[in-house]
Amino acid sequence: KAGVTQTPRYLIKTRGQQVTLSCSPISGHRSVSWYQQTPGQGLQFLFEYFSETQRNKGNFPGRFSGRQFSNSRSEMNVSTLELGDSALYLCASTEDSGVLGAFFGQGTRLTVV
Amino acid sequence: DAKTTQPNSMESNEEEPVHLPCNHSTISGTDYIHWYRQLPSQGPEYVIHGLTSNVNNRMASLAIAEDRKSSTLILHRATLRDAAVYYCILREGGFIIQGAQKLVFGQGTRLTINP
Repeated sequence: KAGVTQTPRYLIKTRGQQVTLSCSPISGHRSVSWYQQTPGQGLQFLFEYFSETQRNKGNFPGRFSGRQFSNSRSEMNVSTLELGDSALYLCASTEDSGVLGAFFGQGTRLTVV
Repeated sequence: DAKTTQPNSMESNEEEPVHLPCNHSTISGTDYIHWYRQLPSQGPEYVIHGLTSNVNNRMASLAIAEDRKSSTLILHRATLRDAAVYYCILREGGFIIQGAQKLVFGQGTRLTINP
């Protein structure tokens, strides 16, 4: 099985712009979660989707949003980018039983200039 | 979310066992103990999890204290490829909820392996 795929791997955006990141989970996984990783705050949970419904949301401003499609692929969007949004954005997918834990992608490195 | 406490860093030698401790004194009865590791330039990788009993898999062993307030991840024979940041995480409800996950990562332990 192919792993979790995140695109693009690297992105440079300007303050005020918006960005959309994509995540393709492992085939058959219906749960997709997003995390932000920065040197100062570490890994922080953004939100989780299951069967196109957001089930959990972390403590991030409304500029951060996401969605999940019927094929379980997910996108996250950040509007009005700020310098502090520069981070590694990680996506993880989990099978329904969760027995094998969460599988993470390699992430998208976003740099806001 | 229940919190975990880990040493910031540890160092060991190649081919020696490594014991990575984790304290979770506020753990609740339904919290599972999960370990993930993150190698440089990669996303986190699931290592092992447990509830009450010690667990073994091909990657590591997990020893859980009888009162569940602490646990230890054991790498039996460390290699250079085991150099990573190791995260101990408490996950509520285990696998009862369909695939639900909200992993709360702490700062983890940065493990250095000397050749």
